[in-house]
Amino acid sequence: EAQVTQNPRYLITVTGKKLTVTCSQNMNHEYMSWYRQDPGLGLRQIYYSMNVEVTDKGDVPEGYKVSRKEKRNFPLILESPSPNQTSLYFCASSPSPLGRDEAFFGQGTRLTVV
Amino acid sequence: KNEVEQSPQNLTAQEGEFITINCSYSVGISALHWLQQHPGGGIVSLFMLSSGKKKHGRLIATINIQEKHSSLHITASHPRDSAVYICAVDSGGGADGLTFGKGTHLIIQP
Repeated sequence: EAQVTQNPRYLITVTGKKLTVTCSQNMNHEYMSWYRQDPGLGLRQIYYSMNVEVTDKGDVPEGYKVSRKEKRNFPLILESPSPNQTSLYFCASSPSPLGRDEAFFGQGTRLTVV
Repeated sequence: KNEVEQSPQNLTAQEGEFITINCSYSVGISALHWLQQHPGGGIVSLFMLSSGKKKHGRLIATINIQEKHSSLHITASHPRDSAVYICAVDSGGGADGLTFGKGTHLIIQP
């Protein structure tokens, strides 16, 4: 079954404690992206990747890092999380840049930073 | 950057009613997506369209490129249609993908 898998689904952490949210897709998609969703603001792009070792900033990249060492995986790294990073995070993948093909989204990761 | 506006923000209706959700955008696009997000769940792609109309079951999506407007219709609505519906556009300018609307929260009461 074609899917995008995020882990964990829920995470509560403390300020400053490094964390990684994993994202994996089984469709051999080249394009992957991370979004955060906040009430009243909708989905905003954090980082995207066109292919292995090719990543770029989205609209709200501050405080986040990503890597793309393998085609299927695109982890989101918070080196020093802060309470303003409390949000619902989504990973997405697509054969080409999102918008030109159907997008596949993960189930979301609800992160709380205290 | 494209501005995407959805209306209404919230909609409560009775089971069986015909539902319409609207999306307008400010700059010409190459494609428009309708997405569905269930409470506590992930996001699912419903439609991708660049012209005309698409139908899938009880869902119909239309787009008017000249007026920069799209509608999502649900016929014979059912409580399981309760979800947030999100409009997103691809302005075709680069690799950064979609610009999203803030979503329409739909509740269908039995």
